[in-house]
Order: sequence, then structure tokens, then C-alpha cells
Amino acid sequence: AQSVAQPEDQVNVAEGNPLTVKCTYSVSGNPYLFWYVQYPNRGLQFLLKYITGDNLVKGSYGFEAEFNKSQTSFHLKKPSALVSDSALYFCAVRSYGNNRLAFGKGNQVVVIP
Amino acid sequence: DTGVSQNPRHKITKRGQNVTFRCDPISEHNRLYWYRQTLGQGPEFLTYFQNEAQLEKSRLLSDRFSAERPKGSFSTLEIQRTEQGDSAMYLCASSLAANPYNSPLHFGNGTRLTVT
Repeated sequence: AQSVAQPEDQVNVAEGNPLTVKCTYSVSGNPYLFWYVQYPNRGLQFLLKYITGDNLVKGSYGFEAEFNKSQTSFHLKKPSALVSDSALYFCAVRSYGNNRLAFGKGNQVVVIP
Repeated sequence: DTGVSQNPRHKITKRGQNVTFRCDPISEHNRLYWYRQTLGQGPEFLTYFQNEAQLEKSRLLSDRFSAERPKGSFSTLEIQRTEQGDSAMYLCASSLAANPYNSPLHFGNGTRLTVT
């Protein structure tokens, strides 16, 4: 079985401050991890992924994420948040051989001007 | 725009009616997925195709649901005898099969179904 936990329902951050969205996962074998962002009434947009290699991965719009195997975490980060970053963020995981991508319930990020 | 296209964007129907949604994937993508998303939840897997073959179905896909991808290009998702619990956003996504597990899914904007 594979699953994702995103413990916080909403993350509030002031514009210009660092943004962190937390994600922990459970999977058999090595994980393939993804972050997506969703704006109102839109589909999900891919931000970044971890497959193997360097634990710090960089993605679109200045976002990055750090893979931590011992803590089974894949937190999303951005050094300086913008108001336009306000959206719903989803962490997702799957393992090799599993065609289903399992999503967390999402985190609403609100960047306050 | 060469992204994933879904039609219609919104569908309101009465309980008991049948509805059909269409998805046009990115042209070079041979894998196509259907997901369902309800308010406050992440997307839940329904089914996926590789070319025209439907290779996996979730238990969420009851007998009232059927999906097709007849020529390995566009796909349709039909819900028969709709129920209020079917109200959700139905998302289609596509990806390349060459690296199926590490390729990201590319999502359409979804079809929002409301059953009254």
C-alpha cells in the first residue's frame, strides 16, 4: 500500500517569508515523489519530482523539495513566498511497478500581502 | 495549446440521468488516467489506459462507470444512472509510457459534475 500524509490543512505565510509545506509518505520499496499545485477550478500542475540522486530537487516557480529517507518526508519549500503562490498543494507518491499515483489531501497555502 | 483537454468543463444533471465526459490527452502520450476529486480531498485513482487497453481499474469504479479509449487517442468516461454521491471533479491526465513510474502526470482542467 502507498499513502501520503499532509498534516496541515492550511499554511499561512507573509509575502517574502519562507514557505514550507509538509509531506510524509508510506510506500513499499523506493518512492517516486511528486508535488503538484492546483488553482481554483483548474487541474493539477506539476511542480517537481524526486526519483533518485540528490536529496534536494528544484522545480518550477522557485520551488524546491527535500527528500529525507529516514523521516520518510518530502517537504516543499520556497525561500520567499509570493501572493501568487496562494493555491492548493498536493504531495503524491508511487513505487516502482505501481501505476496508481497516491495523493495527499492537500494543503491550502495563503500568502498574506 | 497542446495540453490535456477535457469537455465539458461543467455538467449539471438530475439524479438517474447518464453523463459522458471526454478527454483529449497530449498527443504523444500513450498513457491516460482518470481520477476523481471531491471537495477537500486529493485526487483518487479511477482507471488508466495504455494505448487502447484499459489495464487497471479502482474499486471506486462501480458497474455504473465505464471508460473507453477506442483508438488509443481520446477517452470517454460514462456514468450511468447518476447518484448525488457522484458529484465531484473528474480529472484526466496523460503521461509517457517510456518511464511510467517516474514520468509526471499532466492533468486537464477537469469536468465538474453536479448531480441534483
